[in-house]
Amino acid sequence: GAVVSQHPSWVICKSGTSVKIECRSLDFQATTMFWYRQFPKQSLMLMATSNEGSKATYEQGVEKDKFLINHASLTLSTLTVTSAHPEDSSFYICSARPGTGLSPLHFGNGTRLTVT
Amino acid sequence: DQQVKQNSPSLSVQEGRISILNCDYTNSMFDYFLWYKKYPAEGPTFLISISSIKDKNEDGRFTVFLNKSAKHLSLHIVPSQPGDSAVYFCAASAKTGANNLFFGTGTRLTVIP
Repeated sequence: GAVVSQHPSWVICKSGTSVKIECRSLDFQATTMFWYRQFPKQSLMLMATSNEGSKATYEQGVEKDKFLINHASLTLSTLTVTSAHPEDSSFYICSARPGTGLSPLHFGNGTRLTVT
Repeated sequence: DQQVKQNSPSLSVQEGRISILNCDYTNSMFDYFLWYKKYPAEGPTFLISISSIKDKNEDGRFTVFLNKSAKHLSLHIVPSQPGDSAVYFCAASAKTGANNLFFGTGTRLTVIP
């Protein structure tokens, strides 16, 4: 089945530094990838839609200057959390949809970010 | 505002018995519903879906029921197996194939051998 790979699986960084998270579609091309975030005891929430070759689309309340998204190829999207703060500590997970728009989203394994 | 709700954070079931996981939603525009299963340190894995034109969809041991008037869906697993132990997320979207899935908070299922 379709595989979405995410790296790193966990990262600890100091407040004020930036962290990059990679999301790759391993066996299919994805013109669009999606970044979700999950805070403890809450549900997964869509942060932004990453579009290959164009600007990402951000959901309401998500700061585009803080969460930089780059989708330079059909198999790779990156999310950079800039000037991270402890409140950015969360579980970040990417997803993509192989094939047609009717197929379900496939998710990566997620990245646990802890900002100290 | 949580548009998709899973009111039971956990459920324990004996092996071989039926597991019933419930999900409620508030947005009447939702017309496509999915269940995902998640193991620790892994991403959610798609399990089964149903569109609003149906009230039941079955795939092996897994059956999803949709009650549109009650805005309620449930996932039945029968017979339950220890390998089914995981967190199950209910998700909904306003149209089939939509990118913005609204997730519930999950139900942790434990199947006791």
